[in-house]
Amino acid sequence: GESVGLHLPTLSVQEGDNSIINCAYSNSASDYFIWYKQESGKGPQFIIDIRSNMDKRQGQRVTVLLNKTVKHLSLQIAATQPGDSAVYFCAESAEKLVFGKGTKLTVNP
Amino acid sequence: EAGVAQSPRYKIIEKRQSVAFWCNPISGHATLYWYQQILGQGPKLLIQFQNNGVVDDSQLPKDRFSAERLKGVDSTLKIQPAKLEDSAVYLCASSLGGGLKYEQYFGPGTRLTVT
Repeated sequence: GESVGLHLPTLSVQEGDNSIINCAYSNSASDYFIWYKQESGKGPQFIIDIRSNMDKRQGQRVTVLLNKTVKHLSLQIAATQPGDSAVYFCAESAEKLVFGKGTKLTVNP
Repeated sequence: EAGVAQSPRYKIIEKRQSVAFWCNPISGHATLYWYQQILGQGPKLLIQFQNNGVVDDSQLPKDRFSAERLKGVDSTLKIQPAKLEDSAVYLCASSLGGGLKYEQYFGPGTRLTVT
């Protein structure tokens, strides 16, 4: 069935470093992908999305890369800040959103 | 702009009891979603409404879960009877439309503990 997974459950970085969070997906029919940020006690918050006809998309301090050949998605956060500490989920969609299990990012001051 | 409101924020019940959660979406949002998020996992869609009609309830355990959105605005999700494995955060989300080009806005969730 459809599933989205992540390579690492936790990631710890120093403030100011760049962070890379990875995601593997399994449904080759998925054509839309989203990264969400979820802080403790809050619902997921949209960060950035990408469609399958693109391989890279940039936002403010964030970049999403999509490699359809190996079904891999990554989120890059530049100059990571303490406020970036949260759990990050990738989600894929062919017809509805399917979320992965999440990576907990900790930013050390 | 007010966000998605949910209540209660926390609920503790014993197994076999019933419980109901309430969601008030962002004004004007036609589409409403209920997700279940078990600890350590990503949210899983339970049901999607378009106005007051059900679009997708394929992952809703219909023997114990029910949801309604009678007037196409607020929604309630009910569990009766609850099981231990229902312990989770129940998230409500809303969007302007039903297509995935419309961003989903999530509420803070209701954390349910079944003992």
